[in-house]
Amino acid sequence: DTEVTQTPKHLVMGMTNKKSLKCEQHMGHRAMYWYKQKAKKPPELMFVYSYEKLSINESVPSRFSPECPNSSLLNLHLHALQPEDSALYLCASSQKITDEQYFGPGTRLTVT
Amino acid sequence: EDQVTQSPEALRLQEGESSSLNCSYTVSGLRGLFWYRQDPGKGPEFLFTLYSAGEEKEKERLKATLTKKESFLHITAPKPEDSATYLCAVQAMSSNDYKLSFGAGTTVTVRA
Repeated sequence: DTEVTQTPKHLVMGMTNKKSLKCEQHMGHRAMYWYKQKAKKPPELMFVYSYEKLSINESVPSRFSPECPNSSLLNLHLHALQPEDSALYLCASSQKITDEQYFGPGTRLTVT
Repeated sequence: EDQVTQSPEALRLQEGESSSLNCSYTVSGLRGLFWYRQDPGKGPEFLFTLYSAGEEKEKERLKATLTKKESFLHITAPKPEDSATYLCAVQAMSSNDYKLSFGAGTTVTVRA
């Protein structure tokens, strides 16, 4: 099973709202990732967790706050977002940080 | 800085018309090259990992090959369900953070 699940599938939020995106995998992978993807562009890396510790933060604005409660779960907390943050947010996982990554279906986020 | 260039940007094929996609890369030591398929609005689906020049991998109508400077994804006798955007990504040996550098993708449309 190579499934990564993400909830919700769609999210509409105002610029003053606080919301969270959730990602889950049960493949025993020890690396998990958040990406942002704009239309007709490749995914852009935001954060990497390796063994539940944040190992990469790609200079992402503080209005995005990642959290890794355990080895199977990854959250992305959103606060005071801007309309330009509207995008497809993808979660991925891999056995190790050097291995192929398996992506979830994404959360389509719209900021109004 | 790692660079990945995919060509062509878009490819329109008739069903059964075989073709190839190109991924040229510049990296200071290749750790791995990854091919993904992405359907509109969905997360990328892992296809192949290639590690060294001369390596080839196949899956159904797809075959990926690797040289020291580029990779090809050959689509043999494509069907309409092969329509998707195909993404290439490289991981550098010298990189301490093991990030993937993605190309912009090739959008393939197969007409029945």
